Amino acid sequence: SQTIHQWPATLVQPVGSPLSLECTVEGTSNPNLYWYRQAAGRGLQLLFYSVGIGQISSEVPQNLSASRPQDRQFILSSKKLLLSDSGFYLCAWSYQASTEAFFGQGTRLTVV
Amino acid sequence: QQQVKQSPQSLIVQKGGISIINCAYENTAFDYFPWYQQFPGKGPALLIAIRPDVSEKKEGRFTISFNKSAKQFSLHIMDSQPGDSATYFCAASTSGTYKYIFGTGTRLKVLA
Repeated sequence: SQTIHQWPATLVQPVGSPLSLECTVEGTSNPNLYWYRQAAGRGLQLLFYSVGIGQISSEVPQNLSASRPQDRQFILSSKKLLLSDSGFYLCAWSYQASTEAFFGQGTRLTVV
Repeated sequence: QQQVKQSPQSLIVQKGGISIINCAYENTAFDYFPWYQQFPGKGPALLIAIRPDVSEKKEGRFTISFNKSAKQFSLHIMDSQPGDSATYFCAASTSGTYKYIFGTGTRLKVLA
């Protein structure tokens, strides 16, 4: 069966520090991968999606970047965090030909 | 045109009652409408989904009603239970676009 791992679960980082959140998927090959952000009291906003290694599409211009160094690995990064980067970050995957997305458990990021 | 409007923002229902959450969209290209359930500190999990070729889909106590002409769809939770207390998100997507547009969520509380 397919599983998605996302870590860390919680993270407190100072303003101006770098960020690296990692997501891996097991049990499937060549999945579509996604990073979403959920701000308090708001819906989920798509940040990045990837249909293959090295292929990243950005939905919202911001202080973050994403990379896909391996087929089932998706990384969300920032060189210098802002207070506004605080939120709940969710990784998700789907089959290539499917619109059904499966979410990880999320990372609660607090920038102080 | 890419928005999905969800209401109400919060909902309190007595145990055994019916919970109803509504969503409306503008983009007629949307062809997949899932509902996700999210418990605090966890990632969203797919609950039920519908495509516009049917007007209703039922899975256990959960039913999606879809009105294509009004561009609205709703989630009905019959015989609501305290364990149903969670945040519910509607979403919409278009095949081949790899992304969901989420509603802002409804926080449901079912009183014992």
